[in-house]
Amino acid sequence: SAVISQKPSRDICQRGTSLTIQCQVDSQVTMMFWYRQQPGQSLTLIATANQGSEATYESGFVIDKFPISRPNLTFSTLTVSNMSPEDSSIYLCSLQQGALDTQYFGPGTRLTVL
Amino acid sequence: GIQVEQSPPDLILQEGANSTLRCNFSDSVNNLQWFHQNPWGQLINLFYIPSGTKQNGRLSATTVATERYSLLYISSSQTTDSGVYFCAVEEGTYKYIFGTGTRLKVLA
Repeated sequence: SAVISQKPSRDICQRGTSLTIQCQVDSQVTMMFWYRQQPGQSLTLIATANQGSEATYESGFVIDKFPISRPNLTFSTLTVSNMSPEDSSIYLCSLQQGALDTQYFGPGTRLTVL
Repeated sequence: GIQVEQSPPDLILQEGANSTLRCNFSDSVNNLQWFHQNPWGQLINLFYIPSGTKQNGRLSATTVATERYSLLYISSSQTTDSGVYFCAVEEGTYKYIFGTGTRLKVLA
């Protein structure tokens, strides 16, 4: 199975600032996914990131707030821009791999916005 | 969009007990997966089970796609089983909708 790492693992930020989260995979994958998990809640898909094209955002998420880069098949970044306390969440990157498209998740980035 | 509801929302067990977690979904789906999120937040895939029954050690899962539900069975529970269990269904292509989750605590 794929090995996924994320940086940073956690951060505490001031409102109005931006944070870029990195996701690195040990194998090449076409599609990567970014999820948000608000405190005590389930996971919500933010966007799908394909290498070489613009990310596809889900309803309620916009590029200006969550810009995503996908420069190659093993790496992606998610930026949380102009943060507010409501952005305090765990952000997870994910991919699907294998004949069954099993989904694998990174360890997550725990973000607290003060 | 598809609605995914899980029950019970919270469950407390004594070590060694058995349990059944349920996932109901509102429309036909191509794929369904079960995940365990441990207390440190890591999500682990347990089963890929769009239909039928699968077993892996003390865990097994059954999906009845025609009736739009899936069950996760945990037998002889251990404290390491604690955490949150999510089912997720595929809506369209590649997009997974996660359920509301069942928070399990196993007491020693």
